[in-house]
Amino acid sequence: DAKTTQPPSMDCAEGRAANLPCNHSTISGNEYVYWYRQIHSQGPQYIIHGLKNNETNEMASLIITEDRKSSTLILPHATLRDTAVYYCIVLSGSARQLTFGSGTQLTVLP
Amino acid sequence: EAGVVQSPRYKIIEKKQPVAFWCNPISGHNTLYWYLQNLGQGPELLIRYENEEAVDDSQLPKDRFSAERLKGVDSTLKIQPAELGDSAVYLCASGLQGLSEQYFGPGTRLTVT
Repeated sequence: DAKTTQPPSMDCAEGRAANLPCNHSTISGNEYVYWYRQIHSQGPQYIIHGLKNNETNEMASLIITEDRKSSTLILPHATLRDTAVYYCIVLSGSARQLTFGSGTQLTVLP
Repeated sequence: EAGVVQSPRYKIIEKKQPVAFWCNPISGHNTLYWYLQNLGQGPELLIRYENEEAVDDSQLPKDRFSAERLKGVDSTLKIQPAELGDSAVYLCASGLQGLSEQYFGPGTRLTVT
C-alpha cells in the first residue's frame, strides 16, 4: 500500500473550516484513500473514503486531486469536539489491513 | 446500535503475570481485528479474524501472545507472561467481510509494572 505524508499538527478556529492535507504520491490506480480520526482516549473512528471522485457525508468532505497524488479532508464547521488525531490511509480495494501513520493532531481553538 | 465492547478498560499488572482482554464486536460483523497502540503512535495490527479463522496473524508475537475467537463472535487476546514493553492500549475493531471500514472499541489500557 502507498505511503502517506501528513503535517504533524494543525490548529483551526471553532466554526471555521478545517482543511487537512495528505500526500500520497505513490498511490496506484486501485488504491482508495481512507480517513479515520482518534479522539483522546477513544478508538479510531471511520470518517470517509474515496477512489477518484470527491466524496461527502454527514461528517466531512474528501477532495482528491485529479492526479490522485494528494487529498484534503474538509470539516466544514469545526467544533471543539473535532479536536483529534486524523489519519490518512491508502489501501487497495482488496486489502483489509489498515496501516496507520502518525497522523495530524488537529486542535480546534475556541 | 451498540458499538464494539471491550473489557476491562484499564488493567495494571506486574511483569511476568498473565493478562487477558475481551472484545465483543458489532452484531453481524464477521471480521474482527486486534491492534496494539503505543503512546504517540498509530495502531498496529496484531491479528485479523474472518469468522473464527485467524487469516492474518503475522504481526502477533506468538511466543507470549495468543488469541481466540471460538464461535466467530467475541474474542479474547491473552499475554503470558507480560513484559514491561507490553504497556500500551489494545484496541479491538470489527467490520463486514469484503469492506475496509472498521469500527473500533474504546480499547484496554494495559500498564505492566
